[in-house]
Formats: sequence, C-alpha cells, structure tokens
Amino acid sequence: DIQMTQSPSSLSASVGDRVTITCRASEDIRSYLNWYQQTPGKAPKLLIYAASTLQSGVPSRFSGSGSETDFTLTISRLQPEDFATYFCQQTYSGNDFGPGTKVDIK
Amino acid sequence: QLQLQESGPGLVRPSETLSLTCTLSGGSLNRTHSHWGWVRQPPGKGLEYIGSIYDTGSTNYNPSLNSRVTISVATAKNEFSLRLTSVTVADTAIYYCARLVLGVIGDWGQGTLVTVSS
Repeated sequence: DIQMTQSPSSLSASVGDRVTITCRASEDIRSYLNWYQQTPGKAPKLLIYAASTLQSGVPSRFSGSGSETDFTLTISRLQPEDFATYFCQQTYSGNDFGPGTKVDIK
Repeated sequence: QLQLQESGPGLVRPSETLSLTCTLSGGSLNRTHSHWGWVRQPPGKGLEYIGSIYDTGSTNYNPSLNSRVTISVATAKNEFSLRLTSVTVADTAIYYCARLVLGVIGDWGQGTLVTVSS
C-alpha cells in the first residue's frame, strides 16, 4: 500500500484568503494524484486530476501542483462555497485516499 | 448526463452479507475506458476504495477487502453490484458507486448508508 498523508488536517480561513493544502505520498507516484472536494451530506466531487489538470467546470481559483511524493492544492481566493473537506487520491499503484483536510470559516 | 443510484438494505446483521446495486441512467456500462466501482466512507471519516469492474468483467479489489468482496456487472440491466461478506460493525459506512477512468472518479452516486448492527 502507498500511504497518503495530508496537512493540515484542518484549517480556518476567511473568504478571500489564499489556502494551500499539502498531500504527501509514501513513495513516488509520479503525477498520479487527484483532488476531491466534499461538502457535508454530499458525494465527493473531482476537482483536479493528474496533479494539475482542472476538471471541466471547476473554477480556475483551484489549482494543483507537484510530482513524485509532494503535492499541493491551492485555492487562490476562498469563496463561501469552498468551505468543505478536501481529499487527495493516488492512482499510481492501487487506489488510496488521504485522510482529508477540513476547511472551515474563521 | 450520467447518473448513478445506489440501492439496497440500510441495515445488515453482523456476519451476514452486504449487497448493493448501482443503476445507471443517462449512459451505458460499456462506456469507453470506464470502470465501475465502489467507495465507502464511515460516518465522519475518510474515503476507502473498495474495488471496480470493467464491462468485460475484469475486476480490481482493495487488497484489504479482497477476500470478502465481489463486484459484478449486469450489462443488460445497466447496473453493477457489490457483495461484501462476513460484515462487522467496522463495515458501517456510506457506500458510493462511481465511474472511474484510470482510477480517477469523475462521477459518483449520492451514497447510501449501510449500518451493521444486530
């Protein structure tokens, strides 16, 4: 199994803030890293795949970067609808999710 | 617009078998490059990949669940199913069916809560 970690596990931010979430893999996963957003009571929603490719329909304030073992998800200017939990997922070998990062209102 | 809908019992007794079905609308199971799979989420916790199936019947399971999981497909009915045997309270979760392309989950069902309890 490839172990996925995320930091921080939670953060408080204000509308308009720039937010960065980090995901780390226990071994090299090249760029096989995806990001999902989940709001309470809803299914997760794909934001970014292959580390940096924005899913169709996702606002451009979301961006992803990284390769090998270290990845980041950045929200350039936080909007009210962005308060949610974010999960990373590796699909290089098997299929493993990170534990999630909850973004709430400061 | 592809839609996926889970169905099945919301309560399963310990040691019994959990069975869920996912029905597609707005698309077909033989969609190019698509695998069809299941992900679960214990209440308040993270996501766990269970497994997936291609329309040819080839499967891929999470090694931690491999001995208890079967995913099957019924192409004519445009649905696929999950069976998880010998369940315990640790299998209590929201179960999502999903469409995967190279492991990336672009389409999700709304999820169904399955509680394991006597």
